[in-house]
Amino acid sequence: EVQLVESGGGLIQPGGSLTLSCAASGFTVSGNYMSWVRQAPGKGLEWVSVIYSGGATYYADSVKGRFTISRDNSKNTLYLQMNSLRVDDTAVYYCAGSAKRYFAFWGQGTLVTVSS
Amino acid sequence: DIQMTQSPSSLSASVGDTVTITCRASQTFSNYLNWYQQKPGKAPKLLIYAASTLQSGVPSRFSGSGSGTDFTLTISGLRPEDFGTYYCQQSYSIPYTFGQGTKLEIK
Repeated sequence: EVQLVESGGGLIQPGGSLTLSCAASGFTVSGNYMSWVRQAPGKGLEWVSVIYSGGATYYADSVKGRFTISRDNSKNTLYLQMNSLRVDDTAVYYCAGSAKRYFAFWGQGTLVTVSS
Repeated sequence: DIQMTQSPSSLSASVGDTVTITCRASQTFSNYLNWYQQKPGKAPKLLIYAASTLQSGVPSRFSGSGSGTDFTLTISGLRPEDFGTYYCQQSYSIPYTFGQGTKLEIK
């Protein structure tokens, strides 16, 4: 059974940094497309970033230059390093993965609240 | 960026009804179109990928069709557990954009 478990969310002040983790089991992070998708309170889904199996990374314009997606193959874990956080980054962050360019498997989400 | 526009934004239907949700893309692409169902407080669930392929374990009352710029999700024989918000998403080009969602209420 595939499980993706996010952690690392919390309350952070504007301008601060946070790193989210997504630990996978029953699924190989390095061999699949892995994305972060977020959802602001009461809003729709917004794709944030993807890392391809070959290592290429891409970002939404709204986070480019501030967020970094990475993975640790030995830990089978996906990360999202978030810097210069803004109030409008407040959202539930989901990791999602699949062998193809859709999101077959999702974690339960972790809430990031950016507020002073 | 490819913009995805869903219609309607919300709908209410009765058990047994057939409902159709439409997703229109701002530019044409082949079949890199996916559909998700989300229930309150839960992660989204993949229903359909590549426009018309049913994800494993998803009931056959869900179906998808379309190509180019116009895609549809059809639920035939609505069941009470089908309430929630439905999203389309294109995976043709970065950024992988979602539609704004269609909230389905069961009467």
